[in-house]
Amino acid sequence: DGGITQSPKYLFRKEGQNVTLSCEQNLNHDAMYWYRQDPGQGLRLIYYSQIVNDFQKGDIAEGYSVSREKKESFPLTVTSAQKNPTAFYLCASSALAGSRAYEQYFGPGTRLTVT
Amino acid sequence: AQTVTQSQPEMSVQEAETVTLSCTYDTSENNYYLFWYKQPPSRQMILVIRQEAYKQQNATENRFSVNFQKAAKSFSLKISDSQLGDTAMYFCAFMAYSNSGYALNFGKGTSLLVTP
Repeated sequence: DGGITQSPKYLFRKEGQNVTLSCEQNLNHDAMYWYRQDPGQGLRLIYYSQIVNDFQKGDIAEGYSVSREKKESFPLTVTSAQKNPTAFYLCASSALAGSRAYEQYFGPGTRLTVT
Repeated sequence: AQTVTQSQPEMSVQEAETVTLSCTYDTSENNYYLFWYKQPPSRQMILVIRQEAYKQQNATENRFSVNFQKAAKSFSLKISDSQLGDTAMYFCAFMAYSNSGYALNFGKGTSLLVTP
């Protein structure tokens, strides 16, 4: 089955530690995205990538980093510089051409708790 | 910058009834896309329906339909014959190519409760 996987589902870290969230897709989509969701808020864009080895900052990129070494993978690192890292993180992907262009499909999310 | 506003934080509807969720947006773009996403308690984001701005015909997907008013910048979602499984957060989202690429700009959501 095609889809997007994120791991782990729940993640706990101590303050001051970096942590990497995994996102993998087998939909052959060119574009991938990371969003953050806080209670009572919509989703906010952290980073996006439209092609391998290229990515761009979104609205709230400070304290985060990404890589895109393979088309299928777009891991997100939450660094110790992120002041409020506890949140629900969603990864998405989309095609940029075809009848389903620009429709974003989401993974199940990772709940990160930092104490 | 584009903004998306969902003015109804919470709504409820009885099973089998019809409910309409509101969404307005602000943009100076002429070509864009609008989406409704559903997020049930599992927190999985599910695409419900999409509308291209250049299309005058309103999109429909089974029990879900939209009322797209381009001049008014309004994009409401109508759910007919509501089912208990429709209970979820519903997010309206806007997309136009920008310095954020093809990323979505989300509203804050409407929490819909379907009651027996």
